[in-house]
Amino acid sequence: LAKTTQPISMDSYEGQEVNITCSHNNIATNDYITWYQQFPSQGPRFIIQGYKTKVTNEVASLFIPADRKSSTLSLPRVSLSDTAVYYCLLGAGSYQLTFGKGTKLSVIP
Amino acid sequence: EAGVAQSPRYKIIEKRQSVAFWCNPISGHATLYWYQQILGQGPKLLIQFQNNGVVDDSQLPKDRFSAERLKGVDSTLKIQPAKLEDSAVYLCASSLGLGITGEEQYFGPGTRLTVT
Repeated sequence: LAKTTQPISMDSYEGQEVNITCSHNNIATNDYITWYQQFPSQGPRFIIQGYKTKVTNEVASLFIPADRKSSTLSLPRVSLSDTAVYYCLLGAGSYQLTFGKGTKLSVIP
Repeated sequence: EAGVAQSPRYKIIEKRQSVAFWCNPISGHATLYWYQQILGQGPKLLIQFQNNGVVDDSQLPKDRFSAERLKGVDSTLKIQPAKLEDSAVYLCASSLGLGITGEEQYFGPGTRLTVT
């Protein structure tokens, strides 16, 4: 199974743009890249998913280079409520989805 | 639309006792997942159902864990007997399709199990 590597933690001030990068050197051809957000005492929540290039929705953007060996989740103008753990996942042809340890984002006032 | 429901929310048992968790997925969702999340770690997939059939249970400790999905809707996860290392949050999730393309999963609030 392809593994993902993310920073363990990040700090950011309110109003800044935050970029969280995920490395996945052994991504499979049919793997999609998905990001989830998890608040304490809650289940993870889907943020965004992509296969290549750039995907944008109302809460985030996902940048995937041509070689697909990494991906970057971009959160524009973060607020205190964005303090959470963010997970990068690969999944597709194999049914198994693997969550890593995630990146704990702390937003500072 | 109602979300994924789980019960109980909290459970404390002694080691060697048995426990069961219940999950009601979003109506119409074909795929149901059970995850175990140990404190400080990401969720680990235990078992995945497509309708009422098991797709993946490779990480389910089958000597003590069992799960079923009755009529392709509700699901129950059981631990018998429990060990101290089973203390974790058990998350249930569901997705609309067959879960093949890593489609969006909707998670319930989880059941926090403490084994003493």
